Formats: sequence, structure tokens, C-alpha cells
Amino acid sequence: GQSLEQPSEVTAVEGAIVQINCTYQTSGFYGLSWYQQHDGGAPTFLSYNALDGLEETGRFSSFLSRSDSYGYLLLQELQMKDSASYFCAVRDGGSQGNLIFGKGTKLSVKP
Amino acid sequence: SAVISQKPSRDICQRGTSLTIQCQVDSQVTMMFWYRQQPGQSLTLIATANQGSEATYESGFVIDKFPISRPNLTFSTLTVSNMSPEDSSIYLCSDGTGVRETQYFGPGTRLLVL
Repeated sequence: GQSLEQPSEVTAVEGAIVQINCTYQTSGFYGLSWYQQHDGGAPTFLSYNALDGLEETGRFSSFLSRSDSYGYLLLQELQMKDSASYFCAVRDGGSQGNLIFGKGTKLSVKP
Repeated sequence: SAVISQKPSRDICQRGTSLTIQCQVDSQVTMMFWYRQQPGQSLTLIATANQGSEATYESGFVIDKFPISRPNLTFSTLTVSNMSPEDSSIYLCSDGTGVRETQYFGPGTRLLVL
């Protein structure tokens, strides 16, 4: 089966950099995704890594090390609007291909 | 990107009743997924809905409690049957092709069972 571990909460100040780690155990690996969810909102896609290395999209970057079964989401120049829950997810290796989500990291950005 | 809508957006229901949630996608998709998310928790997959075949349920979820319809490639419904307060949750639908890296979610249906 699949399992993902990520910190439950992180607090940072505006303008800072924060890293949210995710370790995973999977029976097959099809890439690591990150989703953002604001309170009362739906999860929205942030990034996807299938290969080792860093993917950068504006202020957000995501890193993957397949040999370590580890990835992280890096948020730079934090803004108040970045306060949200962040979920790492892997795709089920079975035929359905659905996403399996971690428990989520609640990020609070303080002024 | 897919645009997904859900109806109703929220509801308050009495125990023992049933509620059907509708999910509409603006394009044809192979699979649709139904998730449950309890407050402050992660998303848990209920079932996968394929057009033309019975839904596939995850461990802990059964068809009698959560019947699903998938009449075409853009629409699905999830019914929460014989509700109890433990069913109070957010129910989200999502699209999927099984291999694409991005998965889009509907806005969710917030259900409160009294």
C-alpha cells in the first residue's frame, strides 16, 4: 500500500522561505504531486515531479529524490495568501490511477 | 484544464435520510473520483466511477451506503444513504485519466447531518 508523511503544521512570517517535506512509501511510483487547499476551498494542483530534481514555478518549487522516497515543496517570498493546507500525493499504481494524499501540512503565514 | 461543478454546495440533513450529490465536468473524462474530507483532515477516496461499469469502492466504503451513477463521460452522482452524524463531511469529486499528472477537483459539497 501507499503511505505519505508530512508535518502537520508549519508557521512562518511574510517574506520568509518555508520547506514542507514529504516522505512516501509506495508499491509503485508514478510521481509526486503537491496540492494547495485554502479553508473552505477545493484542492488545487501546484506541481508534479516524476524525475529527480527541482521543478520551479514562480515562487513555488518542488523537489524529488526517488532513491530517498522523499520530496519537498519550497515556498519563497511568503505572502499572507499562502496560508493554506498543502498536501503531497502519489498516484495509485493500480489501474484506477487515483491520487493518494498525505495528511496535509497547515501553513500559517504571520505578518 | 477541466472545470468541475458540484450541486448542492452545502446541505443540512436529518439522520436516516439520503442526499444525492451531482458532479459535472466541462469535458469528457475517463474516470471520476469521489473523495471525502472531514474537517481538518486529508482526502480519502470513496470510489472510482467509470462510465458503463460499476463503481470501484475503496476499503471501508460500500455500494449500499454510497451508490454512484456514471451515466456519461461528463457527469456522476454520489448518494449518501441512511445518513448519520458521522457522515458529516465535505464530499469532493475529481476527474482523472489515470496517468495525467494533474487532477482537478470540484468545489465540494459540505454536508451536515443532524
